[in-house]
Amino acid sequence: DQQVKQNSPSLSVQEGRISILNCDYTNSMFDYFLWYKKYPAEGPTFLISISSIKDKNEDGRFTVFLNKSAKHLSLHIVPSQPGDSAVYFCAAINTGNQFYFGTGTSLTVIP
Amino acid sequence: DSGVTQTPKHLITATGQRVTLRCSPRSGDLSVYWYQQSLDQGLQFLIQYYNGEERAKGNILERFSAQQFPDLHSELNLSSLELGDSALYFCASSVTPGVSEKLFFGSGTQLSVL
Repeated sequence: DQQVKQNSPSLSVQEGRISILNCDYTNSMFDYFLWYKKYPAEGPTFLISISSIKDKNEDGRFTVFLNKSAKHLSLHIVPSQPGDSAVYFCAAINTGNQFYFGTGTSLTVIP
Repeated sequence: DSGVTQTPKHLITATGQRVTLRCSPRSGDLSVYWYQQSLDQGLQFLIQYYNGEERAKGNILERFSAQQFPDLHSELNLSSLELGDSALYFCASSVTPGVSEKLFFGSGTQLSVL
């Protein structure tokens, strides 16, 4: 049972525009959320996180939004750059400290 | 460089065989996690160790086992290998298994079962 879902396997965006990656979850016990970025032949690297007590967290070009009522998480990248092209994984942690990852969204930023 | 080291990077073997994947966590990290990434699948949690003790189990098959040694490195043993076991296996580490703790991933071991 996939408790964290990323329904868009891929996304293409023009350089300079906004990239919006979406994530849905089913378990209301999740209380911390993270985004990881993965380049080919490398392991995922931490990008940004948000606690369930917040609805927004910003770090430079990256902003994560959390809508708890909709059980929805999104990552906004603005402006998008070619170096942002990677696979992005959404992850959630429950109160038992278990990490659950989505299936990933492959972002391509077109120069 | 995440500081998490996984060896080997690539492994090619035949069905029915047994392999061992090795992971050295970041210096100071006590917790080690193993994940499997198959084609079109997300990161499937297999097992977690904390300071030598098994902490949590995910979707790990009975043919698979793991352990964390006193020096905190971990090994994932995969036996009676099947074609479907072909995947990218990641190790990750964290200081403690806290709620807000980030995971640091190694670059993975690509296992191909022929």
